[in-house]
Amino acid sequence: KNEVEQSPQNLTAQEGEFITINCSYSVGISALHWLQQHPGGGIVSLFMLSSGKKKHGRLIATINIQEKHSSLHITASHPRDSAVYICAVDTGNQFYFGTGTSLTVIP
Amino acid sequence: NAGVTQTPKFQVLKTGQSMTLQCAQDMNHNSMYWYRQDPGMGLRLIYYSASEGTTDKGEVPNGYNVSRLNKREFSLRLESAAPSQTSVYFCASSGRQGKGQPQHFGDGTRLSIL
Repeated sequence: KNEVEQSPQNLTAQEGEFITINCSYSVGISALHWLQQHPGGGIVSLFMLSSGKKKHGRLIATINIQEKHSSLHITASHPRDSAVYICAVDTGNQFYFGTGTSLTVIP
Repeated sequence: NAGVTQTPKFQVLKTGQSMTLQCAQDMNHNSMYWYRQDPGMGLRLIYYSASEGTTDKGEVPNGYNVSRLNKREFSLRLESAAPSQTSVYFCASSGRQGKGQPQHFGDGTRLSIL
């Protein structure tokens, strides 16, 4: 049983394209997190959401609590955005993680 | 700007050997976590510590022990390593568990058990 499902698993885009990564979850949450993992393995937190929408530069994250769904959008994608994007939910007791979406942006 | 520091970064062990993975954070965080990351699977929680002096099992605790030595340090011990424990291990910390605070991750430890 996967508490967090992400789609797509792999994504290749041309530089400049608009990208959407989706996350669905099946548990009650106190917050949802989007993480970025670069080749080489380091993981950084991009967003933490409990409602609505957040924007940071070219990245936008949205969440619909009723539908248990979140999306991460990247506008004007760039090769440096190539990474694995991970959705994680905080249930209040622990975190559950999606398997990640591997994004490759081609120049 | 150290954040979360894990040591070692790489380790190769033989089956049956023991070792301790070290983790330290300098952000005065209450909560600390150990995860493993395997191909095709999401990060899975091994153990966590909601505050100094407390530890709790996560999703995959078998074969591991932990120690929350003080507020800064949280170590993970493999008493008798098995090939199934070959993985990348991440330590993380956050301000307060369950309060929707972001986790800060170390760079990971790549562990191979032969």
